[in-house]
Amino acid sequence: AQTVTQSQPEMSVQEAETVTLSCTYDTSESDYYLFWYKQPPSRQMILVIRQEAYKQQNATENRFSVNFQKAAKSFSLKISDSQLGDAAMYFCAYRSNYNAGNMLTFGGGTRLMVKP
Amino acid sequence: EPEVTQTPSHQVTQMGQEVILRCVPISNHLYFYWYRQILGQKVEFLVSFYNNEISEKSEIFDDQFSVERPDGSNFTLKIRSTKLEDSAMYFCASRATSGTPSEQYFGPGTRLTVT
Repeated sequence: AQTVTQSQPEMSVQEAETVTLSCTYDTSESDYYLFWYKQPPSRQMILVIRQEAYKQQNATENRFSVNFQKAAKSFSLKISDSQLGDAAMYFCAYRSNYNAGNMLTFGGGTRLMVKP
Repeated sequence: EPEVTQTPSHQVTQMGQEVILRCVPISNHLYFYWYRQILGQKVEFLVSFYNNEISEKSEIFDDQFSVERPDGSNFTLKIRSTKLEDSAMYFCASRATSGTPSEQYFGPGTRLTVT
């Protein structure tokens, strides 16, 4: 079974600064997807960014980018020019392409605080 | 923009009672999921559903749980006899197809409180 670990329970960043959230995962599979989801106080899960394991190029979405290190099984999220609205729980998630359900396996989350 | 909806937003029930949590997935989606999140803990997979049957389920999804797609739009999670430890946020999600790297869209969740 796959596991996802987020070693930082909490992080804080000054508004307009850059912050990196860490995620590592354990798998023996070669074909999978990785995701970062944001969960604001409203509790709804919002997809931030996705990475396909077979793509070497790191995904970017506006101020959000990832550093995907497949050999190291590491998938960190970088938020540039942090904004107050970025304050939320961030979950790293793994999705296998080998099981029928394609369900997500989540890490424990990192609470990001943004200081004005 | 289409979205997943869930009702009710908050359900309070007594231990031993049956509850049904409802979800309306995005209309052209084919894969449906239930996840739960106990307060302060990680989001956990419960079950996935495709083509009117369960495609995968976790150890949490025991005989007390069942899912159904009673019509063309709703997707329900039933807990037959609730326990205190079932108190959690329950999220429904849906996804378009398996052939493309499609994402799961989550609903806003139902907070279930078992007293």
